[in-house]
Amino acid sequence: SQKIEQNSEALNIQEGKTATLTCNYTNYSPAYLQWYRQDPGRGPVFLLLIRENEKEKRKERLKVTFDTTLKQSLFHITASQPADSATYLCALGRGAGSYQLTFGKGTKLSVIP
Amino acid sequence: DVKVTQSSRYLVKRTGEKVFLECVQDMDHENMFWYRQDPGLGLRLIYFSYDVKMKEKGDIPEGYSVSREKKERFSLILESASTNQTSMYLCASSGEQGRYEQYFGPGTRLTVT
Repeated sequence: SQKIEQNSEALNIQEGKTATLTCNYTNYSPAYLQWYRQDPGRGPVFLLLIRENEKEKRKERLKVTFDTTLKQSLFHITASQPADSATYLCALGRGAGSYQLTFGKGTKLSVIP
Repeated sequence: DVKVTQSSRYLVKRTGEKVFLECVQDMDHENMFWYRQDPGLGLRLIYFSYDVKMKEKGDIPEGYSVSREKKERFSLILESASTNQTSMYLCASSGEQGRYEQYFGPGTRLTVT
């Protein structure tokens, strides 16, 4: 069956360091992968989308990689700040042209001053 | 900016009641979604609508129905609420110019007693 795993439920990191979050999947051939940020009690907010034919995408301090051979995406936040503390969700498109997503359970990132 | 609003932030209902959760988006999106989010289970898709009066079951449709009479409005209906439907309910929309990212509402925390 299809499965998405985000490597850890929680990740603590020192301010200024690079946070790296992992999303692994099995039995999927996603056309794209997305990352969202969710703060407590709020809906997720879209951050980045990367397509299957793209290796890397950047937006300000954020970088996403997508390795369809390893079936893995890495999400990096460089120069992390306490304001980056949140839960980060990866989500996979269910097929070419599909707007439906399957979400991972998320990794709660805490950036310690 | 896309705005997705949900009718209530908090709702308390009794077992057996019929419950309506309303969602409105203001960006003329074709696609709208209802999810529920539970600790340890992540975001799970209940129903999806890709056009007015069109709907598809998601991963956990049992006990729920939906209505989409106008493009901007997508309603989730709990025909007879049960305690296992206590959850955070999140509405989302997508489809702006063929883009796949989803825009979420703030969520409705539903408690069924």
